[in-house]
Amino acid sequence: EDQVTQSPEALRLQEGESSSLNCSYTVSGLRGLFWYRQDPGKGPEFLFTLYSAGEEKEKERLKATLTKKESFLHITAPKPEDSATYLCAVQDLLSGGYQKVTFGTGTKLQVIP
Amino acid sequence: NAGVTQTPKFQVLKTGQSMTLQCAQDMNHEYMSWYRQDPGMGLRLIHYSVGAGITDQGEVPNGYNVSRSTTEDFPLRLLSAAPSQTSVYFCASSYSIAPGQLNYGYTFGSGTRLTVV
Repeated sequence: EDQVTQSPEALRLQEGESSSLNCSYTVSGLRGLFWYRQDPGKGPEFLFTLYSAGEEKEKERLKATLTKKESFLHITAPKPEDSATYLCAVQDLLSGGYQKVTFGTGTKLQVIP
Repeated sequence: NAGVTQTPKFQVLKTGQSMTLQCAQDMNHEYMSWYRQDPGMGLRLIHYSVGAGITDQGEVPNGYNVSRSTTEDFPLRLLSAAPSQTSVYFCASSYSIAPGQLNYGYTFGSGTRLTVV
């Protein structure tokens, strides 16, 4: 069974204090790993897709990396507006199609001015 | 560009009542799906559709029905509401270039918060 574990559950940072969020996963075969941002009371917002180990994607202060067993979301010099819950999800290659996407429970990030 | 629109935003039902959650997208996406989000649990797939006239069950389909008569709309029906269906429901869509390939991730609606008493 596919599993996605995110850590820490919650993270509190001072503005400008860089850190990383972790997403470890177990799948039969990885078709894609996704990062989403979710603000309170809203739906998740797509950030990145990573397909293979060694791949990296960047967007403003966020950088996502992927290994064979985990992904990291690095946040450089965060600002208060980066406060949100960050979700990781994996798509299983061997499930037969794009219906098999397993989500983690998320890391709630709070950035304090 | 509206994206994915869900209605209503909030709903309170009594046990045993039925209702339909509406979802519409204007991006001509082939793939649409319904998820529920509960505290301490990841988003869980209820039903999905890969195109008009084609639907299939996800991880937690019991107590829910779907249909897809057009590309744009994908309503979720609760047949006889139960307190265990209290949750936040999200509709999501995606455009896939290659069959089975999620190239762009999902576009989610803003959610429907459902309470069953």
